Amino acid sequence: AQTVTQSQPEMSVQEAETVTLSCTYDTSENNYYLFWYKQPPSRQMILVIRQEAYKQQNATENRFSVNFQKAAKSFSLKISDSQLGDTAMYFCALEAYGGSQGNLIFGKGTKLSVKP
Amino acid sequence: DAGVTQSPTHLIKTRGQQVTLRCSPKSGHDTVSWYQQALGQGPQFIFQYYEEEERQRGNFPDRFSGHQFPNYSSELNVNALLLGDSALYLCASSKGLAISYEQYFGPGTRLTVT
Repeated sequence: AQTVTQSQPEMSVQEAETVTLSCTYDTSENNYYLFWYKQPPSRQMILVIRQEAYKQQNATENRFSVNFQKAAKSFSLKISDSQLGDTAMYFCALEAYGGSQGNLIFGKGTKLSVKP
Repeated sequence: DAGVTQSPTHLIKTRGQQVTLRCSPKSGHDTVSWYQQALGQGPQFIFQYYEEEERQRGNFPDRFSGHQFPNYSSELNVNALLLGDSALYLCASSKGLAISYEQYFGPGTRLTVT
């Protein structure tokens, strides 16, 4: 079975500061993708960043970057220069090749509050 | 470019009733997946449709069924509603089945079962 675990139900950060959200996962597949999705209050879920498992280089998208530790099955999200608009639920997700393609496995989410 | 759209936005049903939710994929997309997101939880995969066929299914009972039309739009049907079916139902679309294709999510349908 594939699982995704987010151990931080809630976090807060001051505007302009840096925050790191944690995620661990488990899969027996060798080829898979990992994702961070953002779900703002009452708004639709959008992709923040994704990482292909076979790529060793950590993905970055502007203020968002990941720390992908394949051996430890860890995939954390770092948000630099936090902005008020970053306030949202953040979900870590896994999608593996093979029979599970198209099936995103989500964690329970981390509620991030950015304070002015 | 229209994104993923879902209807209705909100729905209230009584236990035992049946409900149909609708999804139109993003322009150019041909694959639709449905997810159930209970309050305070992450989304759970229900099933995926491609070429009008169910390609994958999550751990949901047969009360949950779906359909995909030739224009790639999709419906999710839930029969014999239970209180536990109350959730936000999300539709996601992508261009094909390849894992590298990003799934785009719609705004969801909030279903309340009383």
